[in-house]
Amino acid sequence: DAGVIQSPRHEVTEMGQEVTLRCKPISGHNSLFWYRQTMMRGLELLIYFNNNVPIDDSGMPEDRFSAKMPNASFSTLKIQPSEPRDSAVYFCASTPSQKLFFGSGTQLSVL
Amino acid sequence: SQELEQSPQSLIVQEGKNLTINCTSSKTLYGLYWYKQKYGEGLIFLMMLQKGGEEKSHEKITAKLDEKKQQSSLHITASQPSHAGIYLCGADINTDKLIFGTGTRLQVFP
Repeated sequence: DAGVIQSPRHEVTEMGQEVTLRCKPISGHNSLFWYRQTMMRGLELLIYFNNNVPIDDSGMPEDRFSAKMPNASFSTLKIQPSEPRDSAVYFCASTPSQKLFFGSGTQLSVL
Repeated sequence: SQELEQSPQSLIVQEGKNLTINCTSSKTLYGLYWYKQKYGEGLIFLMMLQKGGEEKSHEKITAKLDEKKQQSSLHITASQPSHAGIYLCGADINTDKLIFGTGTRLQVFP
């Protein structure tokens, strides 16, 4: 069975550009989480969805970040405009109940 | 503010030695999870603890949750190079929102 699939694996962009990260959760999982990982702050929860509905976005850094989940099999995290301080590894995770299944992450570098 | 504190931040041990990683919260936790991460990869689930005083083991790794459900420890017996990685504790703080500690980097040398 395929796990959580994230794309792209690596993204290098210039400051000011729009960045879109994609996630396909495991089929049947009704909750989806977006995390950001940096050396300084560790793994931070950005937003999570339950049955495609955003439940808590209090971790989203600012208005430049937005996330959508148009259906049960797809979610996006968008940064517009991107800044160098957004450089991090972004993880998507899904779960049917409590145990999280993580994707391999997207390594984002904003120059 | 960090709601989950892990210690130590990093650990270097010789193969065969035992080690312990701690995770502490100022709040009572609904559930405590341990994950392992290898460099450049996602997190792999290790164990979940929900009851005060609960203890679980898998191979050479044992995790415990204290009676107050505010502190957990992860103990590795006879460490091996394959145990190397980043260990993170995660916790439910309101039953459906999982947050993580800052992680403990473990290196095991032959």
